[in-house]
Amino acid sequence: EAGVAQSPRYKIIEKRQSVAFWCNPISGHATLYWYQQILGQGPKLLIQFQNNGVVDDSQLPKDRFSAERLKGVDSTLKIQPAKLEDSAVYLCASSQNLGSFERTSHNTGELFFGEGSRLTVL
Amino acid sequence: KQEVTQIPAALSVPEGENLVLNCSFTDSAIYNLQWFRQDPGKGLTSLLLIQSSQREQTSGRLNASLDKSSGRSTLYIAASQPGDSATYLCAPRSGTYKYIFGTGTRLKVLA
Repeated sequence: EAGVAQSPRYKIIEKRQSVAFWCNPISGHATLYWYQQILGQGPKLLIQFQNNGVVDDSQLPKDRFSAERLKGVDSTLKIQPAKLEDSAVYLCASSQNLGSFERTSHNTGELFFGEGSRLTVL
Repeated sequence: KQEVTQIPAALSVPEGENLVLNCSFTDSAIYNLQWFRQDPGKGLTSLLLIQSSQREQTSGRLNASLDKSSGRSTLYIAASQPGDSATYLCAPRSGTYKYIFGTGTRLKVLA
């Protein structure tokens, strides 16, 4: 089974430039997450999609960050314009739905991560 | 709002020791809790997932326990090896499939 795919792995830009990251989740996973991980910290949730709808974007800095998942499969996270403090690893993750009454032996709601995209803003 | 704390923040031990990593969370209304490992410059690798109805989950030398009512989980690593050196993160899942992470425990196992 293919894992979560992310690109690019590394990106260096100057402040005020724009950047986009792409994520393709595991096939069949309805829920997709974007996390930001600053060096030495745990991942912070930026946005969560259920199919192509947004479930939670309360911590997404909407003045500069945007994300979409138009067909309910792959997703793009964009930053425009970038600031120095946006230097971080952007992690994409996916999981299957796990309704309260729909647990089966093969559907545990487990979260799977991609390798991440490391952004350096100069 | 769920808050997750991991203690200790860092740990350095000689090879062969048995280790206990702690995770506490403020909102006990969780569906499950997952433990991850992160190597430098890499993404997160899932180690163990404990459902809210379970008390324990084991995989090889790893054992994770969950006390939902007190908001605690423990990851036990038996007979540690240098290859276990990494950052270990816990993440409880609350409603709407939301996973919140702690800051992790950085483990170094010395040969």
